[in-house]
Formats: sequence, structure tokens, C-alpha cells
Amino acid sequence: GAGVSQSPRYKVTKRGQDVALRCDPISGHVSLYWYRQALGQGPEFLTYFNYEAQQDKSGLPNDRFSAERPEGSISTLTIQRTEQRDSAMYRCASSSSPGTKTGELFFGEGSRLTVL
Amino acid sequence: GQQVMQIPQYQHVQEGEDFTTYCNSSTTLSNIQWYKQRPGGHPVFLIQLVKSGEVKKQKRLTFQFGEAKKNSSLHITATQTTDVGTYFCAGVSSGSARQLTFGSGTQLTVLP
Repeated sequence: GAGVSQSPRYKVTKRGQDVALRCDPISGHVSLYWYRQALGQGPEFLTYFNYEAQQDKSGLPNDRFSAERPEGSISTLTIQRTEQRDSAMYRCASSSSPGTKTGELFFGEGSRLTVL
Repeated sequence: GQQVMQIPQYQHVQEGEDFTTYCNSSTTLSNIQWYKQRPGGHPVFLIQLVKSGEVKKQKRLTFQFGEAKKNSSLHITATQTTDVGTYFCAGVSSGSARQLTFGSGTQLTVLP
């Protein structure tokens, strides 16, 4: 697509429910990143993929968080048993850079999660 | 782990004044990027610096990468109201596997 697309844009859920956030990167982009951004803060790294391989998941806060990118394109970030502290903007970004060099990241509009 | 700090956190300037934001990393960086996020928007890439001591200009914006590759700055000359937003630096530690760590940002307000 023309840009990075994320869905849903807004998600309100009750504590304890599972949520799945979807990211459709720019067509052909090799790398895909997930970040979480609290209000007034910079994006906080969660995890990233090269193609379908998850290269680094050191930023995932705990084992309730997981991500996949099974065919090297669309990615899903899943949060199980949501808690109020999970409320944040979740941002996906993609990059065309191959190999080990980081290039320009193209961010999506984000998915705003609110856990009641 | 790697930490990237930015100062100031907030800056209010009168239109036409200059503005500078500073970025410092706890580790040596292989490269540094700068992003701008307008209110309600998403981060948008501005530039990437790779070489020690590198200076790049984009119209009224001047970006510098420190000699030790642990700090960077963004300077805007003669600010305009269109410069309003939050400016983030983001760095990749030398030797790390491409994890891009963002600073906390500097929120710029330009008063007309």
C-alpha cells in the first residue's frame, strides 16, 4: 500500500480481555517494527522483524505480549489478559533497509488502546 | 541498556527566534536519526547521520553528530509556526541488531 496501515485505530477493551493489533507495512518493506508510545513520551521499542523472522523481542514488557509476521508482510501484535497499564498508542513502522543497517522508518497512524 | 536523553523537554520560542535541541546517548551510536511528530500525528523521518562529526543541512534545519558519536543536535534557524511539533532523536548502538532507541523528545511551541 501507499503507507503503513494499522488497525484498529482505536480499541477500548475491558481488563482481562485479549487484543490483537494489526500492521500492514509498505509493500516490499523488509523490516517491521513495533513501538509503544505513551503521551508526551518517545516511542518505546517493543520488537522487530526482518521478513518473517523476529530479530529482537527484548522490548516486549512481559510474556503477555507477543508478535508475529508469518508471511513476512502483515504483522500482528497480541496482548493477552490486558491490564490498565497496557493503555497506550501502539505504533508500527516499516523500513526498506535490508541487512544490518537501520534505515528510515515509516510509521503508521497507530492503534490507540484503552483498557478499562 | 541503551538510553537516549534529550533536552530541553519543552521549548517555547517567538516566531523568528532560533531553536536547538540536544540528544545524548549512554552508548556509542552507529548512526542517529531525527524525527518530527506534529500534534496528533505520527513520527516522520527527517534525516540520518552516520559519520563522526557529520553536519547536514535541510533549509533552516542543521543537524550535527558528535565526534564521539554519542551526541547530536538539531538547530532550527528563524523558526516558523510550521515548525511546531515534537522532535525526537533515535539512535542505534554500535554492534546492536538495529534496535532504534528513541529519546523522550523536545516539544517545540512557536508563538506568532
